[in-house]
Amino acid sequence: EVQLVESGGGLIQPGESLRLSCVASGFTVSSNYMSWVRQAPGKGLEWVSIIYSDDSTYYADSVKGRFTISRDNSENTLYLQINSLRVEDTAVYYCARDKCGYSYHLYGSAIFYYHGMDVWGQGTTVTVSS
Amino acid sequence: AIQLTQSPSSLSASVGDRVTITCRASQGTSNALAWYQQKPGKAPKLLIYAASSLGSGVPSRFSGSGSGTDFTLTISSLQPEDFATYYCQLFSSSPQGLSFGGGTKVEIK
Repeated sequence: EVQLVESGGGLIQPGESLRLSCVASGFTVSSNYMSWVRQAPGKGLEWVSIIYSDDSTYYADSVKGRFTISRDNSENTLYLQINSLRVEDTAVYYCARDKCGYSYHLYGSAIFYYHGMDVWGQGTTVTVSS
Repeated sequence: AIQLTQSPSSLSASVGDRVTITCRASQGTSNALAWYQQKPGKAPKLLIYAASSLGSGVPSRFSGSGSGTDFTLTISSLQPEDFATYYCQLFSSSPQGLSFGGGTKVEIK
């Protein structure tokens, strides 16, 4: 069964650090693009970060410099390191698989396709409060 | 990053109604746009990808359309299980990054 399970959330004081984990089963994390998405209480979804299968990483401007996305291929696990936590980082954090890749056509041309976040974890709650 | 603006932010509708939600991008994009449904306390569920392709197991009353900067999600005949919040989402290669719309809450009239 294809599944993602997050862990690592909790009640944290401002300024502290935290590492969230997302264990995948049924597919290989390193072969896929993987994202973190968060949702503050009563608010909408906010994309946080993505790691590509070629190890490229990208971040939302709101978290750049404080958040680091990574993966452990041997553990088939995605991580999100969060430093210098702020009250406004309080949210449910989801990991998700971005279904995408390249389709190859005549004469070897490759066209990138993106088919959305097709697998989501159940979320882990991070509460930043003193 | 490309900004996505959804409208309306909320709507009230009855079972059987046709519902349309729009998503406007701040600049022209590819068709790497997806739509999600989220119910309270649950993770989002993929409905539509590549602007108009139906996700796996998604009922055919859901459809997507659009290109460039304007995209639409339509529910042809609203069912009781469709009352939820809907989000559009874009993958952009230039500039690199992803973004979500602000969401549209569909409530019972």
